[in-house]
Amino acid sequence: DAGVIQSPRHEVTEMGQEVTLRCKPISGHNSLFWYRQTMMRGLELLIYFNNNVPIDDSGMPEDRFSAKMPNASFSTLKIQPSEPRDSAVYFCASSRDRGLSPLHFGNGTRLTVT
Amino acid sequence: KNEVEQSPQNLTAQEGEFITINCSYSVGISALHWLQQHPGGGIVSLFMLSSGKKKHGRLIATINIQEKHSSLHITASHPRDSAVYICAATGPVTGNQFYFGTGTSLTVIP
Repeated sequence: DAGVIQSPRHEVTEMGQEVTLRCKPISGHNSLFWYRQTMMRGLELLIYFNNNVPIDDSGMPEDRFSAKMPNASFSTLKIQPSEPRDSAVYFCASSRDRGLSPLHFGNGTRLTVT
Repeated sequence: KNEVEQSPQNLTAQEGEFITINCSYSVGISALHWLQQHPGGGIVSLFMLSSGKKKHGRLIATINIQEKHSSLHITASHPRDSAVYICAATGPVTGNQFYFGTGTSLTVIP
């Protein structure tokens, strides 16, 4: 099993540009989570999908953030337009059953917005 | 006030020492996760528990539901245990709410 795969590993972009982060969860996992990690706020849950359906997006900071999961093997997190305060590490994680089974994290995408 | 509090924030230990990291939470939970984040940044799930105790190698996790408290113990600590350890509580019923501790940074000195 390849684990959760995220791309890109690093992204540097200028303020105002669109950024798309990608995630492939572990096959057979029904739940997918997008997290953001900053020094100031630690880990935060942005959005959670169950069976490809967004269940809770209350952690999405602003309308500039959007996430999709068109099928069980792919999800995207998009920021448009990006701002310097969006600079963080974005993690994708998957599990068999929400937060009630172990979480498997991807390696993260380090986003820098200049 | 954070729903999940970890202590200590930073911990330095000599190789071989027994280490305890504590996590207290104020919300009802359905599960509690212990995560490990190495200096390279990757996050690994160590344990998920909702009662009692779990052991994996030199790592032991316990939880006391009545006291709303969990501990992570490392026996015979080793420099490769140096990492940030994060406690995360999963909210009740739905299992899709997460409350994260701020992490404990552990350094084990040879």
